[in-house]
Amino acid sequence: GNSVTQMEGPVTLSEEAFLTINCTYTATGYPSLFWYVQYPGEGLQLLLKATKADDKGSNKGFEATYRKETTSFHLEKGSVQVSDSAVYFCALSGDTGANSKLTFGKGITLSVRP
Amino acid sequence: GAVVSQHPSWVICKSGTSVKIECRSLDFQATTMFWYRQFPKQSLMLMATSNEGSKATYEQGVEKDKFLINHASLTLSTLTVTSAHPEDSSFYICSARDPRGFTGELFFGEGSRLTVL
Repeated sequence: GNSVTQMEGPVTLSEEAFLTINCTYTATGYPSLFWYVQYPGEGLQLLLKATKADDKGSNKGFEATYRKETTSFHLEKGSVQVSDSAVYFCALSGDTGANSKLTFGKGITLSVRP
Repeated sequence: GAVVSQHPSWVICKSGTSVKIECRSLDFQATTMFWYRQFPKQSLMLMATSNEGSKATYEQGVEKDKFLINHASLTLSTLTVTSAHPEDSSFYICSARDPRGFTGELFFGEGSRLTVL
């Protein structure tokens, strides 16, 4: 079955530091890949996505590239801000269609210090 | 963009009572909605898939008699936690897929935090 593995957390960085959050997946076929962010006390929001190999998703300074050869979708940001403190979830959707389900990684908490 | 809204955002109830959580898609029609449960510092666990006009599909290990799901219209799904107990305390999140857009993307509600005393 499908699975998503995220690096262990939590992660604490100083403001303006470089961020990398690792995500690898196992899936059959050609999944779509997502990063969701959950700010304290809120629901999940889509951060970025990629639907095919070598696609790069980007939003709010965050980027992730769909690497089929390494089955990875690592999240990066060149300079984090305090406002980026949140929980980040990597997820995949194994097929298209209204009933397709998302498989989530465990999530990782990012704390950014001023 | 698509908006999914939940109500209430938090609720406290006594043990043995039932609690209903609503999930609405505000600007699109959703034939399918998903209910997740999130434990502290853990990932989201899919509980069930709510299907408009038909029975919900529950994931393995989820008690369908404990977590009643009704999807009576194309914009509303409800989750009722029956005879709630303290171990049911959790953060419940619903989501729906906007059929007008890319079908792999889910939009999530704000979540509902249930505390059972």
